[in-house]
Amino acid sequence: GAVVSQHPSWVICKSGTSVKIECRSLDFQATTMFWYRQFPKQSLMLMATSNEGSKATYEQGVEKDKFLINHASLTLSTLTVTSAHPEDSSFYICSARESRTGTLYYGYTFGSGTRLTVV
Amino acid sequence: QKEVEQDPGPLSVPEGAIVSLNCTYSNSAFQYFMWYRQYSRKGPELLMYTYSSGNKEDGRFTAQVDKSSKYISLFIRDSQPSDSATYLCALYNQGGKLIFGQGTELSVKP
Repeated sequence: GAVVSQHPSWVICKSGTSVKIECRSLDFQATTMFWYRQFPKQSLMLMATSNEGSKATYEQGVEKDKFLINHASLTLSTLTVTSAHPEDSSFYICSARESRTGTLYYGYTFGSGTRLTVV
Repeated sequence: QKEVEQDPGPLSVPEGAIVSLNCTYSNSAFQYFMWYRQYSRKGPELLMYTYSSGNKEDGRFTAQVDKSSKYISLFIRDSQPSDSATYLCALYNQGGKLIFGQGTELSVKP
């Protein structure tokens, strides 16, 4: 089945530094990738939708300049948290949608998540 | 009002019990209904999906949708300790976005 690899699985960084999280679709091409944020015991909140070769679409309230998303190829999307602060500490999860399934819902595969701790 | 409401629990049951997990939603435009299982510190994995009202069974799991009441359920029969996880309902809208419920934390005790 479809596999999405997300790295790193956890990262600790100092306040003010930037952190990059990678999301790769291993055995399929993903025209669209989604980035979510999840706080403890809370649901997944969609941050942004990225389409290969174009700018990401951010959800209301998500700072574009803080959460930089790049989707340069059909198998790779990156999320960079710039000038991270302790309030950015969270669990970040990516999801990829297979190209062949178009808009069909079952084309979504999730990565294993990245736990970011900013100290 | 949230688009999807789900009781966060936690829910604790003995091994072998029947578990009932539920979500309500407010937008009748939702067309697809999913249940995801999420183990601690992992990404969600799709358990089941349904499109129409009615029941869908897969092994020990049964998904139920009642569009008239905007109510979806997941039943787990003969629950096992390995079923201990957070269960999230998710609804898919025509905009291509998955809207998740808060998730219900389930613990199955041996």
